[in-house]
Amino acid sequence: GQQVQQSPASLVLQEGENAELQCNFSTSLNSMQWFYQRPEGSLVSLFYNPSGTKQSGRLTSTTVIKERRSSLHISSSQITDSGTYLCAMEPNTGYQNFYFGKGTSLTVIP
Amino acid sequence: EAAVTQSPRNKVTVTGGNVTLSCRQTNSHNYMYWYRQDTGHGLRLIHYSYGAGNLQIGDVPDGYKATRTTQEDFFLLLELASPSQTSLYFCASSDVGGSSYEQYFGPGTRLTVL
Repeated sequence: GQQVQQSPASLVLQEGENAELQCNFSTSLNSMQWFYQRPEGSLVSLFYNPSGTKQSGRLTSTTVIKERRSSLHISSSQITDSGTYLCAMEPNTGYQNFYFGKGTSLTVIP
Repeated sequence: EAAVTQSPRNKVTVTGGNVTLSCRQTNSHNYMYWYRQDTGHGLRLIHYSYGAGNLQIGDVPDGYKATRTTQEDFFLLLELASPSQTSLYFCASSDVGGSSYEQYFGPGTRLTVL
């Protein structure tokens, strides 16, 4: 079954607005990672964040293991933030098998 | 920073054709992975390996073979390509057992099977 649920599926923001993207897991996890996918397809790793809170510039990732969820907060959005955001988790099974969500498509307009 | 390269970047073949996608990582990671990405499905794991000569089956292995010839090199083989294998393929590596299981991705290969 689907192990990783991302929400919302799509989001439109005006430049300067904040966004909160969610990732929920159906099983306990060993590790998780957030990616940004550029419109041309390449993937950029944003955070490797198996637990707790990490910040990088305008981006903040928070993973709560007990609640099986992770969030990505984007503050003061910019047009260049447009693209798809993916989360991936490795379940706590002993196998190094990662599962990805289907992504959140973000569009930032002027 | 880990470097993962893929070749070719784009490939067009015909149904029944033979295709090999190549991946090389230069950071001495033990694990390497092949994924495919399709609209509506996200990234799905095809095969992965934890070292030269090792192969593990992922979630969507049908129609694919893979071979890890060295620590650095991991190949994905489509011996009888079908249109359903038209996709964006990613290779990744990670240092499982180290301080972090972070995955590093290559730039992707767009494969079209006509």
